[in-house]
Amino acid sequence: DAGVIQSPRHEVTEMGQEVTLRCKPISGHDYLFWYRQTMMRGLELLIYFNNNVPIDDSGMPEDRFSAKMPNASFSTLKIQPSEPRDSAVYFCASRISSYNSPLHFGNGTRLTVT
Amino acid sequence: QKEVEQNSGPLSVPEGAIASLNCTYSDRGSQSFFWYRQYSGKSPELIMFIYSNGDKEDGRFTAQLNKASQYVSLLIRDSQPSDSATYLCAVNMWRGGADGLTFGKGTHLIIQP
Repeated sequence: DAGVIQSPRHEVTEMGQEVTLRCKPISGHDYLFWYRQTMMRGLELLIYFNNNVPIDDSGMPEDRFSAKMPNASFSTLKIQPSEPRDSAVYFCASRISSYNSPLHFGNGTRLTVT
Repeated sequence: QKEVEQNSGPLSVPEGAIASLNCTYSDRGSQSFFWYRQYSGKSPELIMFIYSNGDKEDGRFTAQLNKASQYVSLLIRDSQPSDSATYLCAVNMWRGGADGLTFGKGTHLIIQP
């Protein structure tokens, strides 16, 4: 069974450009999470969805960040405009609806903003 | 601010010895606890989860939970060089009316051959 699929694996862009990260969760998983990982701050939860509906976006750093989940098999995280401090690894993860079920992570997107 | 705290390390352990990794959490209402392993440049992968007070064993790994002390630990017996990685403690904390996993910053473990 395919795991969580993220694209692209690497993204290098210039400050001010728009960046779109993509995620396909595991089929049948109704929770989807976006995390950001840096050395300084570790893994930070940005936003998560339940049945395609955003539940908690309190971790989104500012209005430059937005996320959508138009259907059960696809989600995007967009940064516009991008800044050098957005450089990080962005992970998408999914799980089933059981409260105690573990997260399954994608391979991540390494974003570098110059 | 709901937090999960871990010693960042590095924690250096000789091959064959027991590695002990510790984690404390702030939300007394937390119900589920997870340990993830992350190799450099890779994504986190689940090692174990624990929900009840006490010990839970899976092969060379043992997770220990003490909710009264808000403390969870991971023991790795017969440590191998392949166990060298960063170990992330994650706690399911109630936030904003629904749940989400909060991660510690991880402990970097080095197994010395």
